[in-house]
Order: sequence, then C-alpha cells, then structure tokens
Amino acid sequence: DQQVKQNSPSLSVQEGRISILNCDYTNSMFDYFLWYKKYPAEGPTFLISISSIKDKNEDGRFTVFLNKSAKHLSLHIVPSQPGDSAVYFCAALNRWGGYQKVTFGTGTKLQVIP
Amino acid sequence: SQTIHQWPATLVQPVGSPLSLECTVEGTSNPNLYWYRQAAGRGLQLLFYSVGIGQISSEVPQNLSASRPQDRQFILSSKKLLLSDSGFYLCAWSPPGGQPQHFGDGTRLSIL
Repeated sequence: DQQVKQNSPSLSVQEGRISILNCDYTNSMFDYFLWYKKYPAEGPTFLISISSIKDKNEDGRFTVFLNKSAKHLSLHIVPSQPGDSAVYFCAALNRWGGYQKVTFGTGTKLQVIP
Repeated sequence: SQTIHQWPATLVQPVGSPLSLECTVEGTSNPNLYWYRQAAGRGLQLLFYSVGIGQISSEVPQNLSASRPQDRQFILSSKKLLLSDSGFYLCAWSPPGGQPQHFGDGTRLSIL
C-alpha cells in the first residue's frame, strides 16, 4: 500500500521556468511533509518541509503547497536552474509511540534544460 | 555541526557471503537512526530504525539485521546475502523526536 505517491516519474523544464513537482498521500494522519533532493550516488538532502496545519511554506526559490482536502502537496521551484536537476522525493511523517515514521514516495526525476 | 559517515561507498559480494555496513554519526547525542534501501527504479524503503542503544525495530521481514552497539553507530548485517539484496543502502539520522532526517552518501551493493 503506497501511502505517498509521486505519479510522475520524470519532468523536463526549461531553465528559468517554473518546475512543479506533485505528491499525493492517502493517510490523513500524516502531520508533516518534507521534500528531499537526491543526486546520483549520493544520499537525499533535505530541501523544505511543511506542517499539516499550514498550506504554504516558502524558502528562496522553493515553495511547498499543501492541500489537505485533496491530500495533495506540490513543490514549486522558480526559477528553475540546471543545478536543480535531480530526483525529488516527497515524504510524509506521522508520529506514534514516541517514534516518528517517515514514508517516502518513489521520486520524480527533474531535468532542467539550459 | 553534525555529520554522518557511511561506508563502504560500493561493495560487490557473492551470493551467500556475509555483509556488514557501518554508519556513524558525529556531533549529536541520542539520535534516531535509520537504514533504508533504494532498489532500482523504486523509492526509499525503510528497513530498520533505532531510538537508542540496543533498540532496533524492523519495518519489513527480510534477510538483513541491524544493530546499534553504541549511541552513534548503526550496523546493517546479513549472514548470507541473496541476489535480491542488491540495491542502494542509505543510513540516516534525525534528532530525537525531531526532523528532518539527514542521510549519508549511501552504499551501492551488488550481489553476484
């Protein structure tokens, strides 16, 4: 049961344009969402997060939007740069028994074309 | 600042051989520690997590085991590797009860 889904395995965007990466989830108990960026042969790097009580969080070129009624979140990168080319993982967190469990999506490979 | 070290970076092992991957964290105390596997074309699958020394929880039944002999050391092991154990293994840590998780650079494990 894939609780966090990234339905687009890949995305190509022109440099300078907006990149929009999407993520859907099924568990309404998730209370925190995160985006990670991963280059080949490296571990994922934390990018940005959002609490379930908010609908938007912005950090520089990166903005995450959360639509709880639709169980959908998205990451916007504006403007996109060639260095943004990587695999982006959406992740969702829920807490139980003092432990925080993070469930990852399958990733979207972003290619920013110069 | 906190750092996480994971080694080796790549490993080629024959089927049936043992495995030991090590992960250490510096600059923090009592971290939560995690082992993930990324199989080809798939997302990150949580294998084990630990909230303290000697406390290991397994997420999925498998051929692997984990141990935490020291506060900032997490080891992934197997007595006999299977072909299906091939993949990219990632260690991660997070503050106790906090986020986000910070990942090591991973180990590419190939089973022949």
